[in-house]
Amino acid sequence: GQNIDQPTEMTATEGAIVQINCTYQTSGFNGLFWYQQHAGEAPTFLSYNVLDGLEEKGRFSSFLSRSKGYSYLLLKELQMKDSASYLCATSPGYSTLTFGKGTMLLVSP
Amino acid sequence: ETGVTQSPTHLIKTRGQQVTLRCSSQSGHNTVSWYQQALGQGPQFIFQYYREEENGRGNFPPRFSGLQFPNYSSELNVNALELDDSALYLCASSLDRGTLETQYFGPGTRLLVL
Repeated sequence: GQNIDQPTEMTATEGAIVQINCTYQTSGFNGLFWYQQHAGEAPTFLSYNVLDGLEEKGRFSSFLSRSKGYSYLLLKELQMKDSASYLCATSPGYSTLTFGKGTMLLVSP
Repeated sequence: ETGVTQSPTHLIKTRGQQVTLRCSSQSGHNTVSWYQQALGQGPQFIFQYYREEENGRGNFPPRFSGLQFPNYSSELNVNALELDDSALYLCASSLDRGTLETQYFGPGTRLLVL
């Protein structure tokens, strides 16, 4: 089966750095995804890791350790618009995504 | 290049009724996946269609069914609606099966079952 854990809520201030952790246990693994979802909107793709290490994309970076079943999303220079839910998802097969419950990030001035 | 669109945006039904939700894929995408997202939860995979054939199914009962058309648009049908079916239904299209990193979500249909 699949099991994905991430914190329910996090708070941070504008301009700061925040790290959202995700641990997973899956019966198969074809990648780890991070999505951003603003309230009432569709999830938007942020990053995809299939190999161990850090992937950097502007203010956002994502890290994966397959041996530890662990990933994190790092957000730098936080902006108010970064307030959203951040979803960690694994791909146990080529056709499916299994999502965690999401981490609600609140950025305050 | 058009994005993924869904209709209707909102829908209210009563228990026992049937509902059809529609999805238009992003141009050039031949694979569509449907997800159910309950309030405060992450999306749950319902099924995927690739070139008009079902290509994978999550843990949903048979009253959830789908279709994909030759133009790669798609429908999700739910029969005998239950209160717990109230959720945001998301479709996502991708360039090809096995290319989830190219997957784009539509804005969703919010279904309320009374």
